[in-house]
Amino acid sequence: AQSVAQPEDQVNVAEGNPLTVKCTYSVSGNPYLFWYVQYPNRGLQFLLKYITGDNLVKGSYGFEAEFNKSQTSFHLKKPSALVSDSALYFCAVRRDTDKLIFGTGTRLQVFP
Amino acid sequence: DAGVIQSPRHEVTEMGQEVTLRCKPISGHNSLFWYRQTMMRGLELLIYFNNNVPIDDSGMPEDRFSAKMPNASFSTLKIQPSEPRDSAVYFCASSPTSAGELFFGEGSRLTVL
Repeated sequence: AQSVAQPEDQVNVAEGNPLTVKCTYSVSGNPYLFWYVQYPNRGLQFLLKYITGDNLVKGSYGFEAEFNKSQTSFHLKKPSALVSDSALYFCAVRRDTDKLIFGTGTRLQVFP
Repeated sequence: DAGVIQSPRHEVTEMGQEVTLRCKPISGHNSLFWYRQTMMRGLELLIYFNNNVPIDDSGMPEDRFSAKMPNASFSTLKIQPSEPRDSAVYFCASSPTSAGELFFGEGSRLTVL
């Protein structure tokens, strides 16, 4: 069975500073990994995904994520945070065409 | 593209009543998913369809819950009878392939009194 863990309920960062939102996964075989963002009272929006290839994946709004197979991690990063990045972030994993499983979410708060 | 369309956006009902949530996936997408989001349990996958066929309904909490996809452009999630613990935001999502990213609707917020 696949699973994903987001160890931090909340991440606080000052505007302009780099941010990292952590995600680790457990899946047999090759993982498909995703990051989504959710703004208040909205649905989830796709940010980026890793299927295969380059371990550094670039996505929407300047976000990127690095796939690390040995550490089974897929941390979300951004070099310079914006106040408008404040939202709930979800990591998700699936194995091949299996169902997509989401983590518990990490609330990112960017302070001006 | 209009995206995934869900209705109603908000529903308040009394315990014991039947609730029907509706979803129109993005045209051309062949996978459809129903998720439930609560503070306590986070995002839970209830059921998903490939080409209108239910593939995995192991997340459906009880027999009170049922989902159908009569055609490629419409799906329903029904709760009968509803209970206060069913209060949540229900999301529908579709995907162009069974391995691709999901596109979510805006959700249906259900409150059962």
